[in-house]
Amino acid sequence: DVKVTQSSRYLVKRTGEKVFLECVQDMDHENMFWYRQDPGLGLRLIYFSYDVKMKEKGDIPEGYSVSREKKERFSLILESASTNQTSMYLCASKAPGAAGYNEQFFGPGTRLTVL
Amino acid sequence: AQTVTQSQPEMSVQEAETVTLSCTYDTSESNYYLFWYKQPPSRQMILVIRQEAYKQQNATENRFSVNFQKAAKSFSLKISDSQLGDTAMYFCAFMRDGGATNKLIFGTGTLLAVQP
Repeated sequence: DVKVTQSSRYLVKRTGEKVFLECVQDMDHENMFWYRQDPGLGLRLIYFSYDVKMKEKGDIPEGYSVSREKKERFSLILESASTNQTSMYLCASKAPGAAGYNEQFFGPGTRLTVL
Repeated sequence: AQTVTQSQPEMSVQEAETVTLSCTYDTSESNYYLFWYKQPPSRQMILVIRQEAYKQQNATENRFSVNFQKAAKSFSLKISDSQLGDTAMYFCAFMRDGGATNKLIFGTGTLLAVQP
């Protein structure tokens, strides 16, 4: 079974702090994604990566950056956390193209609160 | 740009009954995939069912089935014999065919409560 893990389930940070959210997958997937989930807005794509050191902006990249130094690990970075970044963050991974029937596998999520 | 609309923010159903969750989407693509994902309370999101747009036959997975109407751009999920474990947030999602990354576009979700 594919396993996607995230470093923290709950995180509380202060405004202006630099925040790192880590995601690790164990299925050798090329594609990895970071989403933000907010009530009434569904999931919105922040960034995605289709290979090591490759990344592309999603729909809401402002205030975020990412790092993918190893295939299994995809990090989301909040350079200077703000209160409007309080949210649930979900990581997902997927095999490339139509492999695996296009299924994305999700981590358990990190609920981030910025005070 | 593609959009996905779920017009039912919350729904409730009695255990053992049938419920249908609605989803519509907008796209100019002819080849694409549609998905229903389930997010139980405090648990990971999992795939419930998927549909390839080029297939006319509606997908089924045990108690879960879809009604895919391509011309109407409608993709509803039917849950038969509802169980307490079906209580969850359900997201409809669209993926364009082609490309290496195949991004998902999600609807806003429907919170389903199965009542005993």
